[in-house]
Amino acid sequence: NAGVTQTPKFRVLKTGQSMTLLCAQDMNHEYMYWYRQDPGMGLRLIHYSVGEGTTAKGEVPDGYNVSRLKKQNFLLGLESAAPSQTSVYFCASSLAGMRQPQHFGDGTRLSIL
Amino acid sequence: GDSVTQMEGPVTLSEEAFLTINCTYTATGYPSLFWYVQYPGEGLQLLLKATKADDKGSNKGFEATYRKETTSFHLEKGSVQVSDSAVYFCALSSFMDMGRRALTFGSGTRLQVQP
Repeated sequence: NAGVTQTPKFRVLKTGQSMTLLCAQDMNHEYMYWYRQDPGMGLRLIHYSVGEGTTAKGEVPDGYNVSRLKKQNFLLGLESAAPSQTSVYFCASSLAGMRQPQHFGDGTRLSIL
Repeated sequence: GDSVTQMEGPVTLSEEAFLTINCTYTATGYPSLFWYVQYPGEGLQLLLKATKADDKGSNKGFEATYRKETTSFHLEKGSVQVSDSAVYFCALSSFMDMGRRALTFGSGTRLQVQP
């Protein structure tokens, strides 16, 4: 039962470098989300997707891009990493509908030096 | 916009003590409410949920009742164990633009249970 899988689990980048975080889910969920978790601030939504080929901005989208080319995958990209993007990133997925809970991956810890 | 306010932590209790973690919210419409738990080094797991006023969610001895009149969803457990030590997040299901939804989280409350 894989659920939601995030890769990599840890990464250290230098300012200005780019990278892509991968999220994969095997539950056939329509909706997928990227959050960042910072101390004392809970989780904040970066981008989300309600289906293959569609994405939308969340609360803190600046500096990030996303793509959902396949239903099971949701990629988060940092084109030019900044120290302010040091955080723990969580991917989640859910069925459609307001009452549906979200299922989370174990997170990616990203440090930008 | 929608928001969730949780009590500040950490909350430190002895084993078998009674637990209450306060959560209040501001939202338009009728959101669903959730409690998630995060154990060290892991992602968030759904603990319980309630989808309409006066609903009570329960799981693993934890309970929370959706109180629309006080806009609250307080988490309670009658007797905590060391294994309950974790960070607890209250969340509500918000509608984003174009009718799509996402979760709005509180800042989390760390619970430490001592033997």
